[in-house]
Amino acid sequence: ILNVEQSPQSLHVQEGDSTNFTCSFPSSNFYALHWYRWETAKSPEALFVMTLNGDEKKKGRISATLNTKEGYSYLYIKGSQPEDSATYLCAPPPAGTASKLTFGTGTRLQVTL
Amino acid sequence: NAGVMQNPRHLVRRRGQEARLRCSPMKGHSHVYWYRQLPEEGLKFMVYLQKENIIDESGMPKERFSAEFPKEGPSILRIQQVVRGDSAAYFCASSWGDEGETQYFGPGTRLLVL
Repeated sequence: ILNVEQSPQSLHVQEGDSTNFTCSFPSSNFYALHWYRWETAKSPEALFVMTLNGDEKKKGRISATLNTKEGYSYLYIKGSQPEDSATYLCAPPPAGTASKLTFGTGTRLQVTL
Repeated sequence: NAGVMQNPRHLVRRRGQEARLRCSPMKGHSHVYWYRQLPEEGLKFMVYLQKENIIDESGMPKERFSAEFPKEGPSILRIQQVVRGDSAAYFCASSWGDEGETQYFGPGTRLLVL
């Protein structure tokens, strides 16, 4: 069983604040890491797929970094807006399977005015 | 380009009935995945299929659950003789390939077993 941990479990910030959260996973036999954004009553929305140690990806105000040697990824949101409120999930596939995503429990972000 | 489509969006069944959930992948995608979200839990992998082949069904319950992805038509997740514990949201995702490719999710089917 792949152990994926995300922290914090929930986060409450004010509009305009920048924030970040962590995804930890076993570093052995790493293949790829997927980040998703999941708004209530909608489907998970793909943000990034990261594969290389030191990878840094950016999509608008959201960016992510990857450290495969120590087994963690950070997701950053710059200047949070209310529409960023969602649960952010990370999912590495287990070793030997490129496709079977194992999701963490997510970080629930609430951005208020 | 239409996204991943799932139907029905909501399904109510009585205990012992059968539930059939359909998933049409994005155009050009030949890889389909089913995930389940039980109440108060996260998304859990169930099965990975390519056209006419089950690649990985390690997350499927051993009994009553089956999945197929025929050459023509949508992928079907079938649950026979449903029980209350099957009540969950079932999500389908599709991808172009399997080597770390992005999986695009559908809106899900909410199954309620009475």
